[in-house]
Amino acid sequence: GAGVSQSPSNKVTEKGKDVELRCDPISGHTALYWYRQSLGQGLEFLIYFQGNSAPDKSGLPSDRFSAERTGGSVSTLTIQRTQQEDSAVYLCASSSLYGYTFGSGTRLTVV
Amino acid sequence: KNQVEQSPQSLIILEGKNCTLQCNYTVSPFSNLRWYKQDTGRGPVSLTIMTFSENTKSNGRYTATLDADTKQSSLHITASQLSDSASYICVVRGFSGGYNKLIFGAGTRLAVHP
Repeated sequence: GAGVSQSPSNKVTEKGKDVELRCDPISGHTALYWYRQSLGQGLEFLIYFQGNSAPDKSGLPSDRFSAERTGGSVSTLTIQRTQQEDSAVYLCASSSLYGYTFGSGTRLTVV
Repeated sequence: KNQVEQSPQSLIILEGKNCTLQCNYTVSPFSNLRWYKQDTGRGPVSLTIMTFSENTKSNGRYTATLDADTKQSSLHITASQLSDSASYICVVRGFSGGYNKLIFGAGTRLAVHP
């Protein structure tokens, strides 16, 4: 597709369960970012991938969060043992030298 | 300290009033700056993009300014509408570690009340 695709668009999960969020970036975009926005809060940086370089994981809030980017394309953000405070919209963005685009996000609700 | 600082953190205004949101950055070298509008639960939508040489850019009731010397940008909203209630995010494109990199502000949450 022409844009950044995130799936699922909505996810409701029980506390303690693991979830995987997927991001399909625009083809050829070498950089990929994960952010989240909790209700009433600002945008919070999570992790940044650039080409084959080691990712910048400095924004991951705990070791329950991990992300990988396979083949320099699709990325998966995994949250283990979800907690209620993990409820947020998780946004993915990809960029190249010429432009960048956000996905529409995954709304995660932990009940 | 974040390289992109936005203020205010949140703002409440009455419908029909104007408001101005601020974005100060320390990113250098600088490539461009973009303002996004993000409705609750939705992905961000680009409002304006400005390069080093541009001072002002308008998109309907939204007008962005950029002062590359002082590293400040503002987003002015005129005649606000209820639908303007959203988060407004400033994103600066710079260079880090030899790569282009996006640095995001934390956003300003605007609430427009009738």
